[in-house]
Amino acid sequence: QVQLVQSGAEVKKPGASVKVSCKAAGYIFRSYGISWMRQAPGQGLEWMGWISVFNGNTKYPQKFQGRVTMTADTSTSTAYMELRSLRSDDTAVYLCARDDPYGGQGDFDYWGQGTLVTVSS
Amino acid sequence: QSALTQPPSASGSPGQAVTISCTGTSSDVGGYNYVSWYQHRPGKVPKLMIYEVSKRPSGVPDRFSGSKSGNTAFLTVSGLQAEDEADYYCTSYAGNNIRVFGGGTKLTVL
Repeated sequence: QVQLVQSGAEVKKPGASVKVSCKAAGYIFRSYGISWMRQAPGQGLEWMGWISVFNGNTKYPQKFQGRVTMTADTSTSTAYMELRSLRSDDTAVYLCARDDPYGGQGDFDYWGQGTLVTVSS
Repeated sequence: QSALTQPPSASGSPGQAVTISCTGTSSDVGGYNYVSWYQHRPGKVPKLMIYEVSKRPSGVPDRFSGSKSGNTAFLTVSGLQAEDEADYYCTSYAGNNIRVFGGGTKLTVL
């Protein structure tokens, strides 16, 4: 069955970077995309961007441009999300989800279990 | 790229129907038939309930239905059950490979 398994919780200091992984199983990794979302404490879901594993294209909303990089390693069926220059308001649960390979018109049909990133001095 | 607007809360008694709205603009909800709804229970991962405005994935009860009018999408839950209590999020395609989420609606079954 389709599974997305994320890396474990992280604690980072302000100004540092974090890289969260999302390992896929049960489907042809290269045929889809991966979107990343986050949920800060007491807040709603926020879309952070998308990568097409199919062709390597990425798209980030303006809020995260310049601070986030999404990559995918087809040899290990693993997607990565790196967020730089961390601030305290980046403390959140970060989630990956399977997405459309062409960009934007698909749905998040399978989700990872989430990775808690805590930013604290 | 503003968030879609959802009511923060909704409620209904078991057996009743409740409708949650999701208001955007002509650049997102009104411009595309790519609105999805997700159910998010505490401690669980979000679950896709409706896609492409009104389509139900396999396994989602037909008590859940979606529709759209202009710049507003709707999720209706009929025959409310206790297990339907959760946060519900809408999301829409907003062009240029961008997605936008609603702020979420906490559904309480009284």
